[in-house]
Amino acid sequence: GAGVSQTPSNKVTEKGKYVELRCDPISGHTALYWYRQSLGQGPEFLIYFQGTGAADDSGLPNDRFFAVRPEGSVSTLKIQRTERGDSAVYLCASSSTGARSPLHFGNGTRLTVT
Amino acid sequence: AQKVTQAQTEISVVEKEDVTLDCVYETRDTTYYLFWYKQPPSGELVFLIRRNSFDEQNEISGRYSWNFQKSTSSFNFTITASQVVDSAVYFCALSVQTGANNLFFGTGTRLTVIP
Repeated sequence: GAGVSQTPSNKVTEKGKYVELRCDPISGHTALYWYRQSLGQGPEFLIYFQGTGAADDSGLPNDRFFAVRPEGSVSTLKIQRTERGDSAVYLCASSSTGARSPLHFGNGTRLTVT
Repeated sequence: AQKVTQAQTEISVVEKEDVTLDCVYETRDTTYYLFWYKQPPSGELVFLIRRNSFDEQNEISGRYSWNFQKSTSSFNFTITASQVVDSAVYFCALSVQTGANNLFFGTGTRLTVIP
């Protein structure tokens, strides 16, 4: 498909475990964003990539969260030592120019930490 | 700092009624962009409209219309003759020209259209 693809769609993990969430953006989109959406809330910014580099990681809540985009396409969000408070839907979005243009979102990964 | 306020948490209307979703924003930037996104039960955020701060013309697209008023920092969204398929959570969002290149979202309004 031509849209943003996120895998897995659902992830259940135990407290303390490590998880990786994957995002495959629209081909050619240089800007990639990760957002986190808790129940009943709007998406909250986590990190923004322009190409391979993290242009803005000010939204990452703490050093347990890390994201990479080594070849400027697929990105992986990594969460170490998961906590129950990390449970949320993690959304990925891409765009050709950044957030001044419409972002194209994936369906998200629902993470549940038990 | 940027902020988007959607005071209406949930709205229910009967099919064919008109409904307006409110959005109030705050920014010190003179150049900014306003967006509306729809999030149906499937979860994917769907882009509806983008407006820049220099264009205060109202816009109509089918049953959807948007009213942008800089004087009140509002960007309201009206659905005319609502349909059951309009049931979703609607988010208003803001990005600015300088500084952070990301999108600031409101908390969303859940619209339920009752058949």
